[in-house]
Amino acid sequence: EDQVTQSPEALRLQEGESSSLNCSYTVSGLRGLFWYRQDPGKGPEFLFTLYSAGEEKEKERLKATLTKKESFLHITAPKPEDSATYLCAVQAGGNNRLAFGKGNQVVVIP
Amino acid sequence: DTEVTQTPKHLVMGMTNKKSLKCEQHMGHRAMYWYKQKAKKPPELMFVYSYEKLSINESVPSRFSPECPNSSLLNLHLHALQPEDSALYLCASSQDIKRYQPQHFGDGTRLSIL
Repeated sequence: EDQVTQSPEALRLQEGESSSLNCSYTVSGLRGLFWYRQDPGKGPEFLFTLYSAGEEKEKERLKATLTKKESFLHITAPKPEDSATYLCAVQAGGNNRLAFGKGNQVVVIP
Repeated sequence: DTEVTQTPKHLVMGMTNKKSLKCEQHMGHRAMYWYKQKAKKPPELMFVYSYEKLSINESVPSRFSPECPNSSLLNLHLHALQPEDSALYLCASSQDIKRYQPQHFGDGTRLSIL
């Protein structure tokens, strides 16, 4: 069974204090790893897709990286508007289902 | 603004009511999904439609009945729901189910069962 574990569960950051979120996965035949951002009362907003180890994607203050066992979402110099829950999901094998982690809840304090 | 539109945004219904949730996308996607999300939990897959045909039913109770009238629309018909069915119901779409493309989500319908 595909497993996705995200850590830390919750994180409080001062504005400008860079940090990283971890998503470790155990799947047979990774086809894609996806990062989403979810604000309270909203649906998940797609951020990045990573397909192979060594791949990196960047968008504003966010950078996602992928190894054979885990992915990191680096937040550089965060602002209060980066406060959200970040969800990691994997798609594996011939299975078109997404296996989600429980999320990283990030709060950025001004 | 999300490209997947869900209506209504909020719905309160009694256990004997019949209601429907609607989802629309105009991205030309041929796969559409229904998810249920409880507070502080990740989304749980309910149904998958591929080219307007039901592809996956994750053993969802029959009080939830999905329908895909065309490639842009997805409905979820609700009947005789239970209080534990109160949740955020999310619709998503992707290019198709075989290309491992990201799913794009709507903002959901917040459902409360009295």
